[in-house]
Amino acid sequence: KAGVTQTPRYLIKTRGQQVTLSCSPISGHRSVSWYQQTPGQGLQFLFEYFSETQRNKGNFPGRFSGRQFSNSRSEMNVSTLELGDSALYLCASSWADRTSGQAFFGQGTRLTVV
Amino acid sequence: AQSVTQPDIHITVSEGASLELRCNYSYGATPYLFWYVQSPGQGLQLLLKYFSGDTLVQGIKGFEAEFKRSQSSFNLRKPSVHWSDAAEYFCAVGADSGGYQKVTFGTGTKLQVIP
Repeated sequence: KAGVTQTPRYLIKTRGQQVTLSCSPISGHRSVSWYQQTPGQGLQFLFEYFSETQRNKGNFPGRFSGRQFSNSRSEMNVSTLELGDSALYLCASSWADRTSGQAFFGQGTRLTVV
Repeated sequence: AQSVTQPDIHITVSEGASLELRCNYSYGATPYLFWYVQSPGQGLQLLLKYFSGDTLVQGIKGFEAEFKRSQSSFNLRKPSVHWSDAAEYFCAVGADSGGYQKVTFGTGTKLQVIP
């Protein structure tokens, strides 16, 4: 069974540009969550999508957005990139039903903003 | 709403020594509890989980954790640390949120292993 796949693995962007990251969850998983990880702030929750609807949202500015497609694949977009957006972006998928909250993580996308 | 606290940001242990990483949670009912490990530049991997039953849970790589309801804790332990255990460890709590589990992660504890 294929794991969570994130593309691309590495990305270099210039300040002011926008970027789109992709996440393909494990087959059958309907929930996809996104996290930002930096040395200074640690692991921070961005948002969670379930059946194409955003179900939870962290405390990030509106420049960070996401969406989920009918096949559960998800994308997150960051507009007007800032240097501080440089981070490892992690995607996690799960069944997210009442009995199983275990999340399965991808290897992440390392974004560098210059 | 639930929350997780990992009070130790960074821990250093000698190879072969025992290890205990602390995790405290806040939640009104019995939560689902998880420990994850992250090697540098990689995603998080599940070490073990607690849903119910025996409060001492065995995981992969020789790790175990004990759920203590009275202390709202779920500490991770390993009797003898290996150099390959150097990584960052995350505790997480899952709580029922309107028919599904909402999972909250702690801020992580970075483990350094010295020879």
